[in-house]
Amino acid sequence: DADVTQTPRNRITKTGKRIMLECSQTKGHDRMYWYRQDPGLGLRLIYYSFDVKDINKGEISDGYSVSRQAQAKFSLSLESAIPNQTALYFCATRENTNYGYTFGSGTRLTVV
Amino acid sequence: RKEVEQDPGPFNVPEGATVAFNCTYSNSASQSFFWYRQDCRKEPKLLMSVYSSGNEDGRFTAQLNRASQYISLLIRDSKLSDSATYLCVVKEVDSSYKLIFGSGTRLLVRP
Repeated sequence: DADVTQTPRNRITKTGKRIMLECSQTKGHDRMYWYRQDPGLGLRLIYYSFDVKDINKGEISDGYSVSRQAQAKFSLSLESAIPNQTALYFCATRENTNYGYTFGSGTRLTVV
Repeated sequence: RKEVEQDPGPFNVPEGATVAFNCTYSNSASQSFFWYRQDCRKEPKLLMSVYSSGNEDGRFTAQLNRASQYISLLIRDSKLSDSATYLCVVKEVDSSYKLIFGSGTRLLVRP
């Protein structure tokens, strides 16, 4: 099993729908992150969490919300999806003292 | 100005060639730097950290120039399997440990 698992892998949804992207990890890391990737723009941070109940906004948090219900789980929600939220979404984790991120395989979201 | 800037490429080189990528960063206080590799539609994976004195890992050499605020990645004896996008990454200058990603440089190695 992968260290960081994202579900679903692909999703097509309609404008205005609520959608949740799930992330779970088996590495026991405290820090978890949600990024989105768009062509030519690189990865941009949406939200991050250092521990259960700890939530911090990233550079592009508008239109998104997150929940850290347990150390191993960090979910990202789009309350009312819009087409410009079409992107590749990555969840990542890292240890407190280790600078490297471990990424999930990504969720490709299309909003039509 | 972007915090981390890279030439998007693509760099198209023959097998066996040596190729170098540069990346510039805007915050002179930045302390930690990395190169990540990303294959098409896959997740980024850490290739190597970049140390002040420069460091080497097999065919890959990373260097840091603090005065000019740029990082470089040199790949020697390119393999077909090196074809990927290379992301320059800088750690945020605070306690958040957030990483700031460049938009990547695409490398194509041809037979």
